Amino acid sequence: DVKVTQSSRYLVKRTGEKVFLECVQDMDHENMFWYRQDPGLGLRLIYFSYDVKMKEKGDIPEGYSVSREKKERFSLILESASTNQTSMYLCASSFGGQGPNQPQHFGDGTRLSIL
Amino acid sequence: GQNIDQPTEMTATEGAIVQINCTYQTSGFNGLFWYQQHAGEAPTFLSYNVLDGLEEKGRFSSFLSRSKGYSYLLLKELQMKDSASYLCAVRGGLYSGNTPLVFGKGTRLSVIA
Repeated sequence: DVKVTQSSRYLVKRTGEKVFLECVQDMDHENMFWYRQDPGLGLRLIYFSYDVKMKEKGDIPEGYSVSREKKERFSLILESASTNQTSMYLCASSFGGQGPNQPQHFGDGTRLSIL
Repeated sequence: GQNIDQPTEMTATEGAIVQINCTYQTSGFNGLFWYQQHAGEAPTFLSYNVLDGLEEKGRFSSFLSRSKGYSYLLLKELQMKDSASYLCAVRGGLYSGNTPLVFGKGTRLSVIA
């Protein structure tokens, strides 16, 4: 079974702090993704990466950055946390290449609260 | 632009059949996925369609019509544990497994006795 592990289920931080969310997958997937999920807005893509050291902006990258130094690990960074970044953050991974039928597999999510 | 629409909420009775519709408008089409998400948990993959027609997987089936930009998820013999949100997602763009999925806002299904 695919395992995508996020470092924390719940996290509380203060406005202005630098926040790191970590995600690790054990299936040698090329692609990794960070989404946030908010009531009424669904899942929105923040950043994704299709290879080590590669990153692409998603639909809502402002206020975030990412790091992928190793294939299995994809980190989301909130440079200076703000209250509007309170949300559920979901990491996902999938095989890449020319296989369009590869589903994305999700971690359990990190519920982040910014006070 | 990309747009995926599905109903916000549905209610159905235990043992019945329910159909959850999804319409989409995307730049290119490279497959449609359905996910199930229980409250407080991660989305889990249910089904995939890339060609027109019906894909059946036990109690769950998914249908696709590319010309109409339309899909549905059919759940048979509903059980209480099927109460969850169901997410429709499309992989648009060029023919590539690297393209991220675009998700609809989800349909919250409540199964009642």
